[in-house]
Amino acid sequence: GDSVTQMEGPVTLSEEAFLTINCTYTATGYPSLFWYVQYPGEGLQLLLKATKADDKGSNKGFEATYRKETTSFHLEKGSVQVSDSAVYFCALRGVTGANNLFFGTGTRLTVIP
Amino acid sequence: NAGVMQNPRHLVRRRGQEARLRCSPMKGHSHVYWYRQLPEEGLKFMVYLQKENIIDESGMPKERFSAEFPKEGPSILRIQQVVRGDSAAYFCASSPPLAGGIEQYFGPGTRLTVT
Repeated sequence: GDSVTQMEGPVTLSEEAFLTINCTYTATGYPSLFWYVQYPGEGLQLLLKATKADDKGSNKGFEATYRKETTSFHLEKGSVQVSDSAVYFCALRGVTGANNLFFGTGTRLTVIP
Repeated sequence: NAGVMQNPRHLVRRRGQEARLRCSPMKGHSHVYWYRQLPEEGLKFMVYLQKENIIDESGMPKERFSAEFPKEGPSILRIQQVVRGDSAAYFCASSPPLAGGIEQYFGPGTRLTVT
């Protein structure tokens, strides 16, 4: 079945460091891929998405490229800020007719000044 | 345009009581999804509803859990005879018609604690 495997955390970085959070998926066909962010005590917010191979999603300095050949959708940011501290979830929506999202286990990022 | 609203934000129940969680989707959205997040885990799909219809409940436990989305009013997730293992954050998401679930907007969640 469809699934997402996400790099385990927690991840601690200094401000302005480079961020990579790995995400790989298992699915048939061409699923849609997402990154969601969850700030403490809040719900999930869509950060970026990509719906077909080679698409690059980007938002607020974050980027992720849909790589069909490696079944990956790694999240990157060139220079993190303290305000980026949150939990990041990779998710996919399959193509088999079900509309629900499959989530990874989440990666907690802490950025220190 | 208000976002997805959930209430209550926090709910404490004793074992054996009932929990009722409410979700009001964004204006114009007719599809609702419920997810459960256990501590330190990702979200797990429970049920997908459209107005007056359950479309997919494959992720919902067969016993004690039920969901509805009436023609008028919010969607309700109901847990009867709660047990400690039901303690979790329950998130509702909504999407507009014809979006095919591509865009799901999440509410702030209801954190259920069973004592």
